[in-house]
Amino acid sequence: QKEVEQDPGPLSVPEGAIVSLNCTYSNSAFQYFMWYRQYSRKGPELLMYTYSSGNKEDGRFTAQVDKSSKYISLFIRDSQPSDSATYLCAMKGGSGGGADGLTFGKGTHLIIQP
Amino acid sequence: EAGVTQSPTHLIKTRGQQATLRCSPISGHTSVYWYQQALGLGLQFLLWYDEGEERNRGNFPPRFSGRQFPNYSSELNVNALELEDSALYLCASSYPSSYNEQFFGPGTRLTVL
Repeated sequence: QKEVEQDPGPLSVPEGAIVSLNCTYSNSAFQYFMWYRQYSRKGPELLMYTYSSGNKEDGRFTAQVDKSSKYISLFIRDSQPSDSATYLCAMKGGSGGGADGLTFGKGTHLIIQP
Repeated sequence: EAGVTQSPTHLIKTRGQQATLRCSPISGHTSVYWYQQALGLGLQFLLWYDEGEERNRGNFPPRFSGRQFPNYSSELNVNALELEDSALYLCASSYPSSYNEQFFGPGTRLTVL
């Protein structure tokens, strides 16, 4: 079983729809959870960063963490064609500073149809 | 604020050669991380440098090495290149003790022929 599972898609939705992106994980040591957006042939861009369980909202984006289910989500409201990209979830344990690096899902390719 | 920069953008090498990739972190960031993004494998942690020292490495052989300079820029060296080393190599940086908020550069695409 991989540490982080993420559906690769593609996920295609019409403009204006609410998008739900998800990751599951198996390592209970993960304490920090991030979402990155990566456009084709570009580096990942940090969108959201959350610690432990709960919700965090930033503009059209909401990140949700459920540690009991080992499940994290990213919701995008009022989706725009410019949101079309690959979305990567990333996680990290709570100890050792930067030692572990980030553990990434393989990414979900999202397409917003105009 | 200038972001993380990486050079070169593209690099083409043949099997057995050595490749050198460079990274300049965001001003004020002292930690530099290297990741490999190979097709079908996703991003994998390679190396972590902090305050000029290698602090940890991922599950990669010793032919992947690097260093961090006094100005916190970093270099990744890959020796004895193999075909499967073809990938996008991403550098990220973070503020001291903010290891969880890593900001990525655009990457160097290495092709091994």
